[in-house]
Amino acid sequence: NAGVTQTPKFRILKIGQSMTLQCTQDMNHNYMYWYRQDPGMGLKLIYYSVGAGITDKGEVPNGYNVSRSTTEDFPLRLELAAPSQTSVYFCASTVLATGELFFGEGSRLTVL
Amino acid sequence: AQSVAQPEDQVNVAEGNPLTVKCTYSVSGNPYLFWYVQYPNRGLQFLLKYITGDNLVKGSYGFEAEFNKSQTSFHLKKPSALVSDSALYFCAVRDVNTDKLIFGTGTRLQVFP
Repeated sequence: NAGVTQTPKFRILKIGQSMTLQCTQDMNHNYMYWYRQDPGMGLKLIYYSVGAGITDKGEVPNGYNVSRSTTEDFPLRLELAAPSQTSVYFCASTVLATGELFFGEGSRLTVL
Repeated sequence: AQSVAQPEDQVNVAEGNPLTVKCTYSVSGNPYLFWYVQYPNRGLQFLLKYITGDNLVKGSYGFEAEFNKSQTSFHLKKPSALVSDSALYFCAVRDVNTDKLIFGTGTRLQVFP
C-alpha cells in the first residue's frame, strides 16, 4: 500500500516553462487536495476535488490547473512558471469529509 | 469566510513540562477541526480531530485537544513534553458546508532537554 505518491520530488524550472506535478493515491479516496507550503505562510489550498470529474478552486488557484479523470490521479499543471511559484507542493487525499488527510512526501519546485 | 489562526510562531517548553499550542477558527457552520504534525522534509501526519461529541479529543503520541465553541478555539495539549515532540504543528478547519480544508500558518514547537 503506497498511499499518496508525488512525482517529481525536486524540479528546477525556468521562467515561462510548463510542467505537471503528478499525484496518485491507491486508497480509493474520493477527496484529493493540492497545497503549497511557503515559509511562515503555512499551507495554502490551490485546488481540490471531491471525485472523478469534479474540481474546484481553493485559496490560491491562479497560475495552476488541475484535472481529475480518474479516482486515483490528480495532476497539478503549471502553465507559465513564475518565481512566485517557487514552493513545496503537497498532494493529499481522504475518503470522507470528516476523515484525516493522507499526505504525499512533497515536491520541491524552484523557478529561476 | 472560513479561516484558522495560530497566534504563536514558536512555542518553547522544557522536557517534562506541559505544552499548549493555540488555535482559533472561524466558520459559518459547525466546524470539523484537525491537528497535524510535520517533521523536517516530510509530509504532514494526522494527530487528532474533532467532529462532534466530547469536547476533549485524544490523539496520537499522547496529544489531546479541547474544543471550545464559545471561544472558537481548539488548542493542542500534552501533559508532559518530549524532545521528540519538537516539530511544526498545524491546525486545520473544514466548514460542514464546504469541502475545503484550510490550514493555519503553523507553530514550531521546540522542546528543550
